[in-house]
Amino acid sequence: EAGVAQSPRYKIIEKRQSVAFWCNPISGHATLYWYQQILGQGPKLLIQFQNNGVVDDSQLPKDRFSAERLKGVDSTLKIQPAKLEDSAVYLCASTGQGSNEQFFGPGTRLTVL
Amino acid sequence: GEDVEQSLFLSVREGDSSVINCTYTDSSSTYLYWYKQEPGAGLQLLTYIFSNMDMKQDQRLTVLLNKKDKHLSLRIADTQTGDSAIYFCAESPTNDYKLSFGAGTTVTVRA
Repeated sequence: EAGVAQSPRYKIIEKRQSVAFWCNPISGHATLYWYQQILGQGPKLLIQFQNNGVVDDSQLPKDRFSAERLKGVDSTLKIQPAKLEDSAVYLCASTGQGSNEQFFGPGTRLTVL
Repeated sequence: GEDVEQSLFLSVREGDSSVINCTYTDSSSTYLYWYKQEPGAGLQLLTYIFSNMDMKQDQRLTVLLNKKDKHLSLRIADTQTGDSAIYFCAESPTNDYKLSFGAGTTVTVRA
């Protein structure tokens, strides 16, 4: 079974630029999560989707971050415009229906200069 | 602030046992997890325990839960060099499974 796929693996941008990350969850997994992991910290949840609907986006900085999962499968996370403090690893995870086990992708490491 | 707290570093000799500690704050029914993160990789679920359990063993891994003190530990028996990684403690309520992570414990295994 293929795992959670993310791309790109690395991205370097300048502040005020825009960036987008892509996630393909495990096939059949209805729930998808985006986390932000700042260096030296644990991951923090940004947004949770159930199929194509948002379950929780309370921690998403909506003035600059947006996410969508239009067809209930792949998801994209966008930052526009980026700030220096957005430098982090962005992790995507997914779970099957009724399961508590989240499977994580390898992450996208973003550096904002 | 963090609801889950961990010590930041642990150094252990190869072949010895490692014990990683964590404290959590949620007093309701919850799942408690241990994840492993190797350099450049995502998080790998090692094991989890439900809050009404005291202990869970899985091969070299033993999880102990002290509900009174809200203290969770992970013991790795016969620690190997491949066990060098960052270990994250996390908790989630049983109704929505959203994870709250600690800051991670960096385990270094020395020969």
